[in-house]
Amino acid sequence: NAGVTQTPKFQVLKTGQSMTLQCAQDMNHEYMSWYRQDPGMGLRLIHYSVGAGITDQGEVPNGYNVSRSTTEDFPLRLLSAAPSQTSVYFCASTPMSGGSYEQYFGPGTRLTVT
Amino acid sequence: KQEVTQIPAALSVPEGENLVLNCSFTDSAIYNLQWFRQDPGKGLTSLLLIQSSQREQTSGRLNASLDKSSGRSTLYIAASQPGDSATYLCAVNGANSKLTFGKGITLSVRP
Repeated sequence: NAGVTQTPKFQVLKTGQSMTLQCAQDMNHEYMSWYRQDPGMGLRLIHYSVGAGITDQGEVPNGYNVSRSTTEDFPLRLLSAAPSQTSVYFCASTPMSGGSYEQYFGPGTRLTVT
Repeated sequence: KQEVTQIPAALSVPEGENLVLNCSFTDSAIYNLQWFRQDPGKGLTSLLLIQSSQREQTSGRLNASLDKSSGRSTLYIAASQPGDSATYLCAVNGANSKLTFGKGITLSVRP
């Protein structure tokens, strides 16, 4: 299994540009989520999904959109990038069956908005 | 709202020392608690997962304990090595599998 994969690893955007951060998992996990990590702030939840077709907002959802059309993929869209969205973005997945709810993280995407 | 605190923010110890990293949380209604390791510029590596019904988990030189009623967890590292230098993050899993993270403890083990 590849686990949780994220692309791209690095990205530089100009203010106002849009882009999609890709996240995929091959473990058939129902739950997927996006976090951002900023110095001094720790990791904060952006959006999450408990299954295909179901998404919900986390702690810091403004400026981001998500959709979940398949169990495997959970892309994060920035519609109009702002410098405040410069951060490291992590995607995670969790099995909802089995009871452990252990979370598995991808390697991250480093985004710079100028 | 769940809050997770890790103090101190940084710790420097000589090689070979046994050490304890602390994590406290405000809401005891949790499913589990996970300890992660993060190396500079890298992703999160899961170290240990403790379910809410468990008291501790062990993996090699690592031992994590959980006292849900008092809102505390500790990560014990035995015989520390320079390769243990990293940031250690504590995360509490609450409703809907939402993780609340502490800000981490940056550990430096001096040779």
